[in-house]
Amino acid sequence: QKEVEQNSGPLSVPEGAIASLNCTYSDRGSQSFFWYRQYSGKSPELIMSIYSNGDKEDGRFTAQLNKASQYVSLLIRDSQPSDSATYLCAVNLPNTGGFKTIFGAGTRLFVKA
Amino acid sequence: SQTIHQWPATLVQPVGSPLSLECTVEGTSNPNLYWYRQAAGRGLQLLFYSVGIGQISSEVPQNLSASRPQDRQFILSSKKLLLSDSGFYLCAWSVGNEQYFGPGTRLTVT
Repeated sequence: QKEVEQNSGPLSVPEGAIASLNCTYSDRGSQSFFWYRQYSGKSPELIMSIYSNGDKEDGRFTAQLNKASQYVSLLIRDSQPSDSATYLCAVNLPNTGGFKTIFGAGTRLFVKA
Repeated sequence: SQTIHQWPATLVQPVGSPLSLECTVEGTSNPNLYWYRQAAGRGLQLLFYSVGIGQISSEVPQNLSASRPQDRQFILSSKKLLLSDSGFYLCAWSVGNEQYFGPGTRLTVT
């Protein structure tokens, strides 16, 4: 069974702090990794994709990938109350042409003003 | 830019009734299209995906079916709904690895 595991949270951080969200995956051959943000009652929104080991930065967001440890993380710097949402980690299964993506159940983030 | 539409936004249906949810994509050609279901507090479950007109792959055997009558149109159907079909139904498109979701349909089966 291919799995993507996330701590369900809630993760609570004060405004202005760094929020750290973590994800592990089971299929060692996976090559494509994504973070989605989902506000309550809304659909997921793609915020980051990462394909190579290391860090990828986009504004206040940094995605980190370690394929040897099968670990993906998302850092949110200067957290704002508007960042309060559920963050979904997603991993493409290898050898499926990118069609099969496994999603974690998500981590709820709460940023306190 | 690309836009994805889904309707209806919400739906309440009795057990045993039929279902038809529609998804259309604008601003791209020959996208890959997907149907997902998200149950309360759960991750996204891939139901169907399509790489072209009339080409449907089913991921989970169940009482749902999908069709792609046009390049940018994807339809999810059921002949008889079950209580367990309740959930948030999401259509997504991709060209490449990244998937983009529509606004979703919240279905409650009573």
